[in-house]
Amino acid sequence: EVQLVETGGGLVQPGKSLKLTCATSGFTFSNAWMHWVRQSPEKQLEWVAQIKAKSNNYATYYAESVKGRFTISRDDSKSSVYLQMNSLKEEDTAIYYCTPPYFDYWGQGVMVTVSS
Amino acid sequence: DVVMTQTPVSLSLAIGQPASISCKSSQSLLGTSGKTFLNWILQRPGQSPKRLIYQVSKLYSEVPDRFSGSGSETEFTLKISRVEAEDLGVYYCWQGTHFPRTFGGGTKLELK
Repeated sequence: EVQLVETGGGLVQPGKSLKLTCATSGFTFSNAWMHWVRQSPEKQLEWVAQIKAKSNNYATYYAESVKGRFTISRDDSKSSVYLQMNSLKEEDTAIYYCTPPYFDYWGQGVMVTVSS
Repeated sequence: DVVMTQTPVSLSLAIGQPASISCKSSQSLLGTSGKTFLNWILQRPGQSPKRLIYQVSKLYSEVPDRFSGSGSETEFTLKISRVEAEDLGVYYCWQGTHFPRTFGGGTKLELK
């Protein structure tokens, strides 16, 4: 059974940092291109970042809205993917989900609230 | 970015009625591989999104056959032949043909 468990969210002030973790199981993580997707309070879904597999040199891609502020990474030995979020803005407030290549499995998500 | 436009925004139907949701893209979603990466997910109240349909019309194994998907290029439709109580929630289309992946705004299915 595929499982994805996101952790690390919380309330943070604008300009601060937060690191999200997604622990996975039930599929061959090392081969999977992993994504972070977020859902705003208005329920709009937005793709955030992608990291490819080792065979693709762990290439990373970002939405323009987070480029230069967020960093996606992975640890294949732990079947985990991470999202380091710096210089957070109020508009980054959302539920963050990690998901494998075809968005066919979703975890419960983790809430990030950016507010002073 | 490819803009995905869903209509209607909300749908109020009785159990047993058919449902139809439209999803239009600002660019053709036919990829160079000959495949069209238009997909549908359902988010039930208080839950995470769940997979429904991939590549326009292919149902995931656990999805009931009252669901169907159709369309091509820029116009796509999700249909439910007879709505059941477990079908309520928000339906989203999303495209994986062009970078970055983008989502429609969602269609909320409510029970009348």
